[in-house]
Formats: sequence, structure tokens, C-alpha cells
Amino acid sequence: GIQVEQSPPDLILQEGANSTLRCNFSDSVNNLQWFHQNPWGQLINLFYIPSGTKQNGRLSATTVATERYSLLYISSSQTTDSGVYFCAVRSNDYKLSFGAGTTVTVRA
Amino acid sequence: EPEVTQTPSHQVTQMGQEVILRCVPISNHLYFYWYRQILGQKVEFLVSFYNNEISEKSEIFDDQFSVERPDGSNFTLKIRSTKLEDSAMYFCASTTGVETQYFGPGTRLLVL
Repeated sequence: GIQVEQSPPDLILQEGANSTLRCNFSDSVNNLQWFHQNPWGQLINLFYIPSGTKQNGRLSATTVATERYSLLYISSSQTTDSGVYFCAVRSNDYKLSFGAGTTVTVRA
Repeated sequence: EPEVTQTPSHQVTQMGQEVILRCVPISNHLYFYWYRQILGQKVEFLVSFYNNEISEKSEIFDDQFSVERPDGSNFTLKIRSTKLEDSAMYFCASTTGVETQYFGPGTRLLVL
């Protein structure tokens, strides 16, 4: 099956800092989603982005499908941005395959 | 905004007992999924369901597991005889097809 690798595994930021999270995948994809898992365990949809660039407030994402990677940018980080960020992709079937996640800790 | 709902939010059960986890997908969605996440690990696919039948299942989804859409709104996951290693967060998801999969808030299952 398709392999999804996320980096870095852990990221510690000072409040106000910017950061970039990366997701590499091993095959062409029809769907790519970024999620934020909050402290209660809920998976919050951030972006549906199989290609191109999108922005939502302080978050933005870019997927370069031909090179099989996606980037999630967090700008002016806040403590509420803490949590685990997951990238998930769908290839020729309908299921999502998840990466192992990046754990982000934002310190005040 | 429509959302996927799941009940219960938490369930504690004894090993060997049957549990049923319930989900109400978004009303016009056609594809339904169960995923699970063991504490500290990544989210894993269990099963997908379309047109009243299983369309794909993972190797985790063995004979102890079953899914059902008993009426036009609910989608259930049954674990027949729970094991300690079934302890996990179980997520239901739904989609119209190829675009965004929407996830429910999860059911945290603890098997003692």
C-alpha cells in the first residue's frame, strides 16, 4: 500500500514562531487531507488539498503532487496550535492512509 | 454545518464482551468508514462500506468485527468478543465520494 512519511516527528515552538511540517507519499494520490488532533482526541479537518495551495487564517498548505509531497505552514503559532498534525492520503481506493503525525508543542 | 456524530463517547467493557459503536454519518454521504487509533499510534483503516456492503477491509478487520447500516441513518461497528488489544479510539467517517472524508469525534473504548 501507499506509504506516508511525516517530518519532523516532534516540533517545539515558542509562541509567535512560524513552522513547516512535511508529508511525503510513495505513490500518486487522488486525495490528501491535513488534520489536527486536539487534546481530546478529535480529528479536525484542516485542508483537503490533493494539489495546489490553500490558506485558512494562520494556516496554509501546499501539495506538489508530481513530486509527491505536501507542506503545512503554521504562522504566528499560538498555544492552541499544540497537538498532533496528521497527513492522510488516498490513492486508487477509497480509504485514507495516515502518516505517523507531527507532535507540535507551542510554549507561551 | 453537518457533522458526523458518534455514540458513546467513552465505553468501558470487560474482555470477551460484545460492544456496538454507533455512528450517524452526514445525511447525503454515500461512503462510510471505520478507523481506529491505538493510544500514541497513527490512525488505521478498518473497513469501508458502500451501497449496503463492505467495499474494502483491512487485515485488522477479522471475524470478530462486523458493520451494519440498520436503517437510513445509523452505521454501526460491532466487536463480538473484545480483547485487551481492541482498546483504542474508534473513528467513523463519511464522504460523498472522492473528496473530503469527514470524521466523527470518536469513541474511546477501554477493554479490561
